[in-house]
Amino acid sequence: EDQVTQSPEALRLQEGESSSLNCSYTVSGLRGLFWYRQDPGKGPEFLFTLYSAGEEKEKERLKATLTKKESFLHITAPKPEDSATYLCAGLNQAGTALIFGKGTTLSVSS
Amino acid sequence: NAGVTQTPKFQVLKTGQSMTLQCAQDMNHNSMYWYRQDPGMGLRLIYYSASEGTTDKGEVPNGYNVSRLNKREFSLRLESAAPSQTSVYFCASRGVASYEQYFGPGTRLTVT
Repeated sequence: EDQVTQSPEALRLQEGESSSLNCSYTVSGLRGLFWYRQDPGKGPEFLFTLYSAGEEKEKERLKATLTKKESFLHITAPKPEDSATYLCAGLNQAGTALIFGKGTTLSVSS
Repeated sequence: NAGVTQTPKFQVLKTGQSMTLQCAQDMNHNSMYWYRQDPGMGLRLIYYSASEGTTDKGEVPNGYNVSRLNKREFSLRLESAAPSQTSVYFCASRGVASYEQYFGPGTRLTVT
């Protein structure tokens, strides 16, 4: 069964304290790995797509990386406005469905 | 350019009532999706439409029907609502050039 697992469930950081969020996947024939940000009461907002092991993408304080078994979202020197739930999703082999993890809720305090 | 829009934003139903959730996109996307999001469960796919005129079941289709009205609009219908359908419903769409899905703001549905 295709599955995506995110850890930790919740993460509290001080402003400027860098850390990483983990996404491990068992999606047969993974076509792509996606990261989204979700603010309370809002829909998920697309951040990154990674298609092959070794690929990296960056946007401001965020960097996403992909290996054959997991993906990491590295957050460098976070600010309070980075507080949100971060969702990871794997695209199935047919390319028809995203399988989502349960998310990591990040809180950054000043 | 509004992206993906959903109506209504909030809805309360009694068990057994029916309703239709509406979704529209203005990005000329071919594929559209309906998800539900429950605490501790993550987003789960209910139905999707790969192109105008086609629909397919996702992971949790029971109790729902969909209609792809045209390229822009994709509706989700609950024929006889049950408390287990209390959830937040998201519509999403994607174009042909990439696999990224873009989400609407969601409909929060409570069934009592």
